[in-house]
Amino acid sequence: GQQLNQSPQSMFIQEGEDVSMNCTSSSIFNTWLWYKQDPGEGPVLLIALYKAGELTSNGRLTAQFGITRKDSFLNISASIPSDVGIYFCAGPPLGGYQKVTFGTGTKLQVIP
Amino acid sequence: DVKVTQSSRYLVKRTGEKVFLECVQDMDHENMFWYRQDPGLGLRLIYFSYDVKMKEKGDIPEGYSVSREKKERFSLILESASTNQTSMYLCASSLKGARGNTIYFGEGSWLTVV
Repeated sequence: GQQLNQSPQSMFIQEGEDVSMNCTSSSIFNTWLWYKQDPGEGPVLLIALYKAGELTSNGRLTAQFGITRKDSFLNISASIPSDVGIYFCAGPPLGGYQKVTFGTGTKLQVIP
Repeated sequence: DVKVTQSSRYLVKRTGEKVFLECVQDMDHENMFWYRQDPGLGLRLIYFSYDVKMKEKGDIPEGYSVSREKKERFSLILESASTNQTSMYLCASSLKGARGNTIYFGEGSWLTVV
C-alpha cells in the first residue's frame, strides 16, 4: 500500500535548537496532517493543512503543504525536552480521502 | 473534546487464542480505523469502517477481521493469534468529509502473543 517517506528517521538535538523534518509521497495528497506521539500514548494531532502552499503555525511549530502536493515539512523552533517523541506525517491520497496513510515517523530526542 | 477509548491497554495472549480489541468513540464519527504500529514501520492500516456494518480492508488485513454493529464501536478480532501479531494497536475515528480527515486516536493497546 501507499506509504509516506519521512526524514530523518531519528534525530538527537540540543535543547534550544530548531528542528526540521519532512515527508514525501509519490502520490498527490489533498490534506497533510502532522501528529506527535509521546511514549506509550496514541498520536495527537499537531497541525492540519488543506491547501497547496499553505503555511500554518501552532505555537513553536510551523508546517507547510508543498506546492506539488506531494510533500510537507514540519519545523519546531527553540526545542524543549517535552518535544521528545515520534512525529508522523499523514494524509489521504487524492481520490481516497477516507483512507489516511501515515509516514514511517521521525523520532526526536532532545538533550537538555 | 473527542474521546476514543480502547478497552485494554496491555494484553498477553497465547498463540491460537481468539483476541478481541474493543474501541469506542463518543463524537458520533462516521469513520473508524484500526492501525498497528511497529518500530521502523510507522502506522499501518489494518481495516477501516465508514459506516455501521461497513468495512474495508486496509494495507495489512491478513489475520484480522473487524465488526461494526454500532456507530460508536469498532472491534478488531484476531481469529487465531500468532506471535507476529505482537504489536501496539491503535484505534482512531474521524468525521466523514474532506475536512474530516483529521483523525483522533485512542491511547493504544499493547498486545503480546506468546
